[in-house]
Amino acid sequence: AQSVSQHNHHVILSEAASLELGCNYSYGGTVNLFWYVQYPGQHLQLLLKYFSGDPLVKGIKGFEAEFIKSKFSFNLRKPSVQWSDTAEYFCAVNAYNNDMRFGAGTRLTVKP
Amino acid sequence: DVKVTQSSRYLVKRTGEKVFLECVQDMDHENMFWYRQDPGLGLRLIYFSYDVKMKEKGDIPEGYSVSREKKERFSLILESASTNQTSMYLCASSFPRREGGAEQYFGPGTRLTVT
Repeated sequence: AQSVSQHNHHVILSEAASLELGCNYSYGGTVNLFWYVQYPGQHLQLLLKYFSGDPLVKGIKGFEAEFIKSKFSFNLRKPSVQWSDTAEYFCAVNAYNNDMRFGAGTRLTVKP
Repeated sequence: DVKVTQSSRYLVKRTGEKVFLECVQDMDHENMFWYRQDPGLGLRLIYFSYDVKMKEKGDIPEGYSVSREKKERFSLILESASTNQTSMYLCASSFPRREGGAEQYFGPGTRLTVT
């Protein structure tokens, strides 16, 4: 079964700093990869997804992620964070089926 | 917009009670899922369903059961609630996708406290 590791549990940044959140998965076959975000008091929502093709995918609100197959990684990046990016971020993976496995989440706090 | 609703935002139950958590989606999705979300553990899959009257165990099904009598409704049942089932419960739904990887749409969650 696939599994996901997120190495950073809590990240604290100042506004305008650059962000990179790590995500590694374990599964030997073809995978679909996702980043979800949960803003305080809100539903989980999709930030971006990778199915195939260009390994650099762009999502909403200026986020992007890069799939590196050789490293089993799908790291999330944003060049300049804003206070409104304060949220919890979840990496998720699935293989050929439609159920998904999530990482433990990374809490991002952006100081104004 | 896809809407996934859950019957309660907050619920307090006593140990040993039978608890029903209801989830309804309005987008005719075949797939529905129940997760629990705990700090430091992320989302863990309890049960899922790909069709009416169909159910599959996820990673942590012990102590839970589910019911899917109608396409739009997926219920999570705690037969005899215990304190270690205190958690946030999230419901999600999606269309099937042959290659996998269907985006899941989440409800607001039910925060269950078992005393």
